[in-house]
Amino acid sequence: DGGITQSPKYLFRKEGQNVTLSCEQNLNHDAMYWYRQDPGQGLRLIYYSQIVNDFQKGDIAEGYSVSREKKESFPLTVTSAQKNPTAFYLCASSQRGKPSKLLFGSGTQLSVL
Amino acid sequence: AQTVTQSQPEMSVQEAETVTLSCTYDTSENNYYLFWYKQPPSRQMILVIRQEAYKQQNATENRFSVNFQKAAKSFSLKISDSQLGDTAMYFCAFIPGRNSGAGSYQLTFGKGTKLSVIP
Repeated sequence: DGGITQSPKYLFRKEGQNVTLSCEQNLNHDAMYWYRQDPGQGLRLIYYSQIVNDFQKGDIAEGYSVSREKKESFPLTVTSAQKNPTAFYLCASSQRGKPSKLLFGSGTQLSVL
Repeated sequence: AQTVTQSQPEMSVQEAETVTLSCTYDTSENNYYLFWYKQPPSRQMILVIRQEAYKQQNATENRFSVNFQKAAKSFSLKISDSQLGDTAMYFCAFIPGRNSGAGSYQLTFGKGTKLSVIP
């Protein structure tokens, strides 16, 4: 079955450490997105990519980095510059030009040790 | 910039009853889409219903329907015959239409309404 796989489900970060969240999709979607969710809040866009080797910043890109070397993969790195990384991170994808038909992964909970 | 407001942080409803969740939004766009997403305790984000702004007819998906009032910028969700499985956070979201520039790729979410269905 086609879908979006996020791993790990839970992740812990130490002070000063970079961590990478994985997102893989087998839907043949061109566009992929990373959202952050804080308790009691809706989702906020971190980065998005409409095509391989291209990506754009969202509202809250500071302290994060991404790469898009393959169509099916869009990893998110939470760098040490992100001072408040504890949150739930959701990856999503859609066909190019159809962001209104977004599908979400099951998410990764990142916590700081 | 677009904003989405959900004024009801929490609501409860008896099983088999009907409940309406409110959502208002602010935009200068004429072409856009509105959504209701459900997030159960598993935290999976699930699309409940989608409305295209240029369509007059309110969207319906089984027990879920919307009341879309474009002039008032209101987009409420009605859940009929509520079931225990409807217990979840519900998020209203907005995205500009395809030709609205870079913002076309960004969903704007409200803060959510926590719905509890009581047996």
